[in-house]
Amino acid sequence: KNQVEQSPQSLIILEGKNCTLQCNYTVSPFSNLRWYKQDTGRGPVSLTIMTFSENTKSNGRYTATLDADTKQSSLHITASQLSDSASYICVVSPTGGSQGNLIFGKGTKLSVKP
Amino acid sequence: NAGVTQTPKFQVLKTGQSMTLQCAQDMNHNSMYWYRQDPGMGLRLIYYSASEGTTDKGEVPNGYNVSRLNKREFSLRLESAAPSQTSVYFCASSGLAANTGELFFGEGSRLTVL
Repeated sequence: KNQVEQSPQSLIILEGKNCTLQCNYTVSPFSNLRWYKQDTGRGPVSLTIMTFSENTKSNGRYTATLDADTKQSSLHITASQLSDSASYICVVSPTGGSQGNLIFGKGTKLSVKP
Repeated sequence: NAGVTQTPKFQVLKTGQSMTLQCAQDMNHNSMYWYRQDPGMGLRLIYYSASEGTTDKGEVPNGYNVSRLNKREFSLRLESAAPSQTSVYFCASSGLAANTGELFFGEGSRLTVL
């Protein structure tokens, strides 16, 4: 069964510190892997989209990496800010799946404290 | 630029009542989607519309109906609400198929069924 597992479930860090969120998936083959940021009470917003052949993608202080051999992805946040407090969702798109057939992880809830 | 707009933002229903969630996008996207988000679970696809005039079932379609009114609007109807349908509902749109293109989400509609 296609699954996307994220760790940790939740994380608390101090403002200014770096952190790394993990995503392990069993989806194979897949066409792309995405990371979304979801603020409390808001809809998810795209951070990065990587195809299966890409290893890294950056968006400002956010850097996503992908290792298709080990089926792992990580999202690294540099110099965290209070506004980074949110849930971060890893999403994998199976190759050949029906449109809209995205596999969503449960998310990691990040809290950045002053 | 409004993006994806959902109404209502909050709704409380009694078991057996019906209601329609409205969604409109102003990005001229062909594809539109309805997801539900429940605590401790990833987003799950209810229905999608690849283009005006077409709709297809997603992972959890039971108890719902949809209408793609025109290119801009995609509504989700609960004919006889049940407590199991208490959830946060997100509408999304994409210029390409969701499994290849970027998804843009609305702010969500929070539904409670008593």
